[in-house]
Amino acid sequence: AQTIHQWPVAEIKAVGSPLSLGCTIKGKSSPNLYWYWQATGGTLQQLFYSITVGQVESVVQLNLSASRPKDDQFILSTEKLLLSHSGFYLCAWGPGDTQYFGPGTRLLVL
Amino acid sequence: QQQVRQSPQSLTVWEGETAILNCSYEDSTFNYFPWYQQFPGEGPALLISIRSVSDKKEDGRFTIFFNKREKKLSLHITDSQPGDSATYFCAASDNNNNAPRFGAGTKLSVKP
Repeated sequence: AQTIHQWPVAEIKAVGSPLSLGCTIKGKSSPNLYWYWQATGGTLQQLFYSITVGQVESVVQLNLSASRPKDDQFILSTEKLLLSHSGFYLCAWGPGDTQYFGPGTRLLVL
Repeated sequence: QQQVRQSPQSLTVWEGETAILNCSYEDSTFNYFPWYQQFPGEGPALLISIRSVSDKKEDGRFTIFFNKREKKLSLHITDSQPGDSATYFCAASDNNNNAPRFGAGTKLSVKP
């Protein structure tokens, strides 16, 4: 069975500080990986997707970047956080039309 | 342009009643419609899905009704339980291995 792990569980960060969020999937070879952002009470906004190591496509940047250093790892980062970055970040894998989500990382930017 | 619309934004029903959540879409190339259930503080989980070749999909107390001509679908939750209280997202995708487009969600509350 596939498992998806996200770290950290939650973060409180200052405006202007850097950020790195991680996602690891086990039990699935060469998955499509996705990053989503969700405002409190909001819909799911896809940010990035990757179909292979080293290749990442941007959907909506929001002053964020993503990388896929390993087949099972997806990283979301920024050098300078904005207040608008607060929210719930979700990593997902899927064959394409179906998404399987991780537990998420709650981010609060003050 | 919002391609997937959900209504109502929030819904409250009593335990044992049937909750009806609505979804509509614009792009006629969409042919796969998954519904996700999300509890507070958790990631969404796939609940039930339907392909456009079918007009109904049933899984226990959860049933999707699909009207291709009107580009509408609905999720019926029969015998609603307090544990069904969650936000439900309707999504739609096409045949091109693209990630689905999500609606804004319906927040369901089931009162005991």
